[in-house]
Amino acid sequence: DIQMTQSPSTLSASVGDRVTITCRASQSISSWLAWYQQKPGKAPKLLISKGSSLENGVPSRFSGSGYGTEFTLTINSLQPDDLATYFCQQYDTYVTFGQGTKVQI
Amino acid sequence: EVQLVESGGGLIKPGGSLRLSCAASGFTFSNVWMSWVRQAPGKGLEWVGRVKIKTDGETTHYPAPVKGRFTISRDDSKNTLYLQMNSLRTEDTAVYYCTTHFGIINLFDNWGQGTLVTVSS
Repeated sequence: DIQMTQSPSTLSASVGDRVTITCRASQSISSWLAWYQQKPGKAPKLLISKGSSLENGVPSRFSGSGYGTEFTLTINSLQPDDLATYFCQQYDTYVTFGQGTKVQI
Repeated sequence: EVQLVESGGGLIKPGGSLRLSCAASGFTFSNVWMSWVRQAPGKGLEWVGRVKIKTDGETTHYPAPVKGRFTISRDDSKNTLYLQMNSLRTEDTAVYYCTTHFGIINLFDNWGQGTLVTVSS
């Protein structure tokens, strides 16, 4: 099974900050990585697929990068609405999620 | 607009069975692979399994923690996805989400609001 390791588990930042979350795969997953945003009490929402492709309607301050085993989600100019937990997910071989990163503002 | 509405959750004793349903609308259900994903209270996301469409044999796949205990099925005539859960354990306590796949890859582009299953004596 492919393991996904996300860091940090919690992140505190201020409005306007640049925030970076890292996700590492236990083996190469090419670009088969997605990022989801989950706001408190809500279902997850797909933000980014194939490592760096932003879904329709997702603000451009979100970006994804990486290939192989190391990936990052960057939020430029953090906004109050970005308070959420972010999960990475590999879909190279079946499905594995990272443990999540809670972003506190 | 895609809508996925889960139902059937509740309190069940260890060893018991429960069937969840997911009513789908706003898209051609019979053309879409479907999955269940769960989230234990305060924890991360865990994939529970997938069912393909009829023309792909309606084949299913389950990860080890639920294989042999959980069964996913679909009724395209009712636009409904099911999750039959048997031999429930306390560690199955979670919110269960129904999701659509983007194409034929394991990428989840739409999620329901979830239904809570609590396994406790």
